[in-house]
Amino acid sequence: AQRVTQPEKLLSVFKGAPVELKCNYSYSGSPELFWYVQYSRQRLQLLLRHISRESIKGFTADLNKGETSFHLKKPFAQEEDSAMYYCALKGINFNKFYFGSGTKLNVKP
Amino acid sequence: EAGVAQSPRYKIIEKRQSVAFWCNPISGHATLYWYQQILGQGPKLLIQFQNNGVVDDSQLPKDRFSAERLKGVDSTLKIQPAKLEDSAVYLCASSSPGGRDTEAFFGQGTRLTVV
Repeated sequence: AQRVTQPEKLLSVFKGAPVELKCNYSYSGSPELFWYVQYSRQRLQLLLRHISRESIKGFTADLNKGETSFHLKKPFAQEEDSAMYYCALKGINFNKFYFGSGTKLNVKP
Repeated sequence: EAGVAQSPRYKIIEKRQSVAFWCNPISGHATLYWYQQILGQGPKLLIQFQNNGVVDDSQLPKDRFSAERLKGVDSTLKIQPAKLEDSAVYLCASSSPGGRDTEAFFGQGTRLTVV
C-alpha cells in the first residue's frame, strides 16, 4: 500500500542554518513525488516536484529510489521559510495524491 | 488563472446537524478531490472525481458523507448527521488531466467545528 512518512512534526533551526525535512515513501511502482508548502493563513501550494529537478526558493529535493526517500533541503534557511511542509506522492493510476502528516519548519532569527 | 474556490470558509454546527460545502475548481480541470485534514495530520483523500464520475471514494464514510459533481464542474460535499470527530478542515483540490508532472491546486478550505 502507498504511504508517505514524515518523521518530524516540528523542526526548528536558526536563520542561515541548513535545513533538511525528511520524507520516506512506500509505493509499488514509479511514483511522482512532490513537496507542498502552507504558509500561515494561505492555501496549500506546490513547492517543487521531483520530475522537474528544479530548485525553488533555494529548496531542492532528490528522489532516492534505493532508500525510497525524497528529502527536502535548503543550505541556508530564511525566516520566511517558516511554514508547514507536506510531502506528497502521486500514484500512476488516476492521479491520486497521498500526503504525509507534515513537518512544521520554524526558522528563528 | 482563478484558483479553486471554496465556501464557506468557516462553519460551526452541533453534532447530529447537517452541513454542506461547495467547491468550484479551476476551469478546465477534470479531476476534483475532497480531502479531510484533521488538526495535526496531513490531508486524507475522501473522494476523487474525474469529470462527474467517481474514481475513488474508498475513504468516504458513506453512512454520513456524500458528494456529487453534477455537470463535471462544481462539487458539493455533505455530512449528515455530523459527529464531533468530523471537526476538521475540508480541502477541495483540482488538477488537469495532463501528464506525469501535473499538480493538484488547492482551495483555502472550509474549517468545520462540530460542538
